Amino acid sequence: DTEVTQTPKHLVMGMTNKKSLKCEQHMGHRAMYWYKQKAKKPPELMFVYSYEKLSINESVPSRFSPECPNSSLLNLHLHALQPEDSALYLCASSRYKGTQVLNTEAFFGQGTRLTVV
Amino acid sequence: QQQVKQSPQSLIVQKGGISIINCAYENTAFDYFPWYQQFPGKGPALLIAIRPDVSEKKEGRFTISFNKSAKQFSLHIMDSQPGDSATYFCAASSRRDKIIFGKGTRLHILP
Repeated sequence: DTEVTQTPKHLVMGMTNKKSLKCEQHMGHRAMYWYKQKAKKPPELMFVYSYEKLSINESVPSRFSPECPNSSLLNLHLHALQPEDSALYLCASSRYKGTQVLNTEAFFGQGTRLTVV
Repeated sequence: QQQVKQSPQSLIVQKGGISIINCAYENTAFDYFPWYQQFPGKGPALLIAIRPDVSEKKEGRFTISFNKSAKQFSLHIMDSQPGDSATYFCAASSRRDKIIFGKGTRLHILP
């Protein structure tokens, strides 16, 4: 199984809503990532989890709250978002050996298309 | 220092032709150079990758050429097909750092 599965595929939410994005992988990868991608732009890194611990936060606003309940799951909790937060949110995973991320392959999910109204 | 410069921004190639996308980097600590292919509404998919100890890597119709001294690498798509129409991102990373993406090339193959 070489898939990263993201749900939901599409999400429309109001600025006062609370919602969560979910990501799951069963490749045994111990590094998991959240990226944000705007149209015609490359993915922008938001968060990195290494061995279920948050290791990188790219100065993301607190209205985005990541969570890694176990080695296979990654969530992104959303609260009080703005219309400019509308984007494709991508989850990815890669192998980890010792203290180093093995960037040999990063597998991306299909993404969640988020629209904030 | 951390940038990866990708060109062209968009590319139109006739079916059966060769598509060439170029990337350049500055950070000599980068040791992994992947290319990702992304179709509209989908996540990026790893296409092919190279490490700086080799100058070329070929997988089917896709070839990466790597010039360590010039700090440049390129993707060649031979016998380009309409199904290759997508956005291609080059990227670079080092063991202790995040993956840095180029800005992307929108490739369109004419049938």
